[in-house]
Parts: sequence; C-alpha cells; structure tokens
Amino acid sequence: GAVVSQHPSRVICKSGTSVKIECRSLDFQATTMFWYRQFPKKSLMLMATSNEGSKATYEQGVEKDKFLINHASLTLSTLTVTSAHPEDSSFYICSARAGGPISYEQYFGPGTRLTVT
Amino acid sequence: QKEVEQNSGPLSVPEGAIASLNCTYSDRVSQSFFWYRQYSGKSPELIMSIYSNGDKEDGRFTAQLNKASQYVSLLIRDSQPSDSATYLCAVKRSNYQLIWGAGTKLIIKP
Repeated sequence: GAVVSQHPSRVICKSGTSVKIECRSLDFQATTMFWYRQFPKKSLMLMATSNEGSKATYEQGVEKDKFLINHASLTLSTLTVTSAHPEDSSFYICSARAGGPISYEQYFGPGTRLTVT
Repeated sequence: QKEVEQNSGPLSVPEGAIASLNCTYSDRVSQSFFWYRQYSGKSPELIMSIYSNGDKEDGRFTAQLNKASQYVSLLIRDSQPSDSATYLCAVKRSNYQLIWGAGTKLIIKP
C-alpha cells in the first residue's frame, strides 16, 4: 500500500516553456500533498503544501506564480513550472499524506528530473 | 542551530556489522519522528516512524527515541551493501509538514 506515482519521470524542455508534473496517490486518498525540490547532493527543499480543494501554501522564497500547484482531487496534484529557465533544472519530488488527524507519514513519488535547456 | 541535525558522514561500516545513525532535534514538543532512506538519484523511502520513547524494531532496523535528550537514532543490524544510501531523519511540524535533516551518507563495505 501507500504507492505514489509521478509523471513524467524525466522531461527536457526549452527555456521559456511550461512543464506540468503529475503526482497521484494510487491506493489511498491523499488529504495533503507536498512538493519538494532537490538539487544534486543537497537536502530536500519543501516548496509547497497543498490540501485537496484549497490553495497551496508556498514556502518562503518560492514564487507561487511560477510554480503553479493544483490539488483538485484526493488522488491527484499537479505542479506546473511556468516560463522555465535553466536554473529551474532540478529533481522535483511529490509526497502524499493519507487523511486523518493522526496520519503523519509521507509517501514519496519516484520524482521527476527536469532539465531546462 | 538547525532544527534537525545529522552528521553528514560518510559513515563507513563493514558488511555484517551494526550501523548506527543519529539525529538530534531542537523543538522539545516534537512528537513524531521518521527515518527515510534515499538512494542516489532516487526519491526518499520511508523506513520507520516512531512516536514513543524507547525502541521500535522492524526486521533489521531499530529506531530509538529519547525525547528527554531530544535525539532519535536508527540501528541497522547485519548491514548489507544494499543498505548503502543516504538516511534522512525527519520531524513532524504541527501542520503535518516534515522538517528534514541534511542526511547521513552510509557506506557498507563488503
């Protein structure tokens, strides 16, 4: 149980274009989803937290107009990187938390490696 | 002071020995703690969660929590080369977010 998928696993796009990454919880309903970014040999950096049906909460320094997050259902959240630039190249990982006030564990998707040329 | 601290390593352990990974946290009211394993180029994978003082065992893994001293550790018995990875300690915030340590790189030498 607790499987999270992400699509695509790798994407290469040209500077100035937009890229959408999907995150799905396959066998549970995800009340909360989290989006992280990780640069090579660096720690996970939380970008935003999204609850189903609500606007995402972005961490300080993360541009909400550049990184659009939608969490329209209990099993799907999307991250759209708009007007991508080479510095946005990174490993983007989503995680999901099952519902309930005592459910704290986060389960991660396999990640999406974005390269902006 | 970082909220969650881990020794970055690398920690080198001979195959078959016990690997001991440590983590300290600053928020005394923290209640929920997690260990994740991350292989190079992959996403983190949950290994253990622990909420109460004491030991929690799952197969070759044992998580230990000492809230009075504000540390949590992970022991890996009978270490295997496949255990070589970066181990991340995480502590839950009040809003379900996790605060992450920088991770300890573990190398199991055959």
